[in-house]
Amino acid sequence: GAGVSQSPSNKVTEKGKDVELRCDPISGHTALYWYRQSLGQGLEFLIYFQGNSAPDKSGLPSDRFSAERTGGSVSTLTIQRTQQEDSAVYLCASSLASQAAGYTFGSGTRLTVV
Amino acid sequence: AQSVTQLDSQVPVFEEAPVELRCNYSSSVSVYLFWYVQYPNQGLQLLLKYLSGSTLVESINGFEAEFNKSQTSFHLRKPSVHISDTAEYFCAVSFTGGGNKLTFGTGTQLKVEL
Repeated sequence: GAGVSQSPSNKVTEKGKDVELRCDPISGHTALYWYRQSLGQGLEFLIYFQGNSAPDKSGLPSDRFSAERTGGSVSTLTIQRTQQEDSAVYLCASSLASQAAGYTFGSGTRLTVV
Repeated sequence: AQSVTQLDSQVPVFEEAPVELRCNYSSSVSVYLFWYVQYPNQGLQLLLKYLSGSTLVESINGFEAEFNKSQTSFHLRKPSVHISDTAEYFCAVSFTGGGNKLTFGTGTQLKVEL
């Protein structure tokens, strides 16, 4: 596609429920990243997929968070048993394989846990 | 752990005045350096990047940044700001050995006033 697409754009969920956030990267981009943006906290790295390699999960804050990337394209970030501190904007980005490429970001999913 | 520091969380400036947004990073290994901009209610966009060669890089809208290896800095400057430059600016670094992963600073909110 022309850009990185994320859905939904907004999600309000009750504490304890599971949520799934979707990211559709730019066609041909082999790398895909998830970040979390909280007010005053900057961007927090969550997970990174590169081609067929094992993902770098080093940023996932707890075992309630998981992500998968199917067919090297679309990715889903799942948060189980949501907590209020999970409220944030979840950003997806994709890039070419080169370290120098820089990212193209999606518009994000604003998650609010009530 | 490698880190990126943006000391100024907010920078107010009058229109047509010069501005400098500071960025320092922790490592002396080879790096690629980026500045991203987030306009109100929009996603992050790449503003400029340093990969190699000339240490001064420029964007199409008049911003420039200079890579200073000895000071591990990549400050962003503009000689004369416009109201439309009001946005949040994020410095990001790709550290050698970190794959394609970018480490972001906490952001600087630039507010341009009349």
